[in-house]
Amino acid sequence: AQKITQTQPGMFVQEKEAVTLDCTYDTSDQSYGLFWYKQPSSGEMIFLIYQGSYDEQNATEGRYSLNFQKARKSANLVISASQLGDSAMYFCAMREGQSGKYGNKLVFGAGTILRVKS
Amino acid sequence: DAGVIQSPRHEVTEMGQEVTLRCKPISGHNSLFWYRQTMMRGLELLIYFNNNVPIDDSGMPEDRFSAKMPNASFSTLKIQPSEPRDSAVYFCASSLGALSLPRDNTGELFFGEGSRLTVL
Repeated sequence: AQKITQTQPGMFVQEKEAVTLDCTYDTSDQSYGLFWYKQPSSGEMIFLIYQGSYDEQNATEGRYSLNFQKARKSANLVISASQLGDSAMYFCAMREGQSGKYGNKLVFGAGTILRVKS
Repeated sequence: DAGVIQSPRHEVTEMGQEVTLRCKPISGHNSLFWYRQTMMRGLELLIYFNNNVPIDDSGMPEDRFSAKMPNASFSTLKIQPSEPRDSAVYFCASSLGALSLPRDNTGELFFGEGSRLTVL
């Protein structure tokens, strides 16, 4: 079974609008971490936001927020007020277990390409 | 602060040749990861080290691939002999790992810029 599923291969959003990128995950661990990374066309991997499984509030970082629904095992990324520079590939990733149990390795989803239209 | 440094950034070689990719992690990080990115398979973890010791190499595709971390500031990924299907972008990443992780640290991975390998 896929650990991380991103069902949207590609998304379009109008500049200044909000967009939600979907991510569902599969784990039997109670302690885990969820990450979103951005990969622009230049290729580097940029960390955006993190949600711990025990965090009671949804994580936010500037225009990025994570809609964490633990019972549904979903961790959707919400980008508010989209900008042209948000056009990129976005990856959801999971670290299973407490850090130290399996190390810090991340399992990545297939990614979603986001295109922001002017 | 210097990030994760990878070299070479681009490598074009012929099938059968040996390829060595190099990585310098962020100083103080004790976990190092090698990932491979292709269109078909996405981002795959090949191997990761904790305190210079290989912890999980189950992602290494076959015996042609080997990785070493002789000290805390250097790692190599070697492919010998290389094949066209090895063409990919290879990322090195580092993090504070395992028991070194402070409570308020996410343990995020910091990635290098990648090494784009083309095997003809």
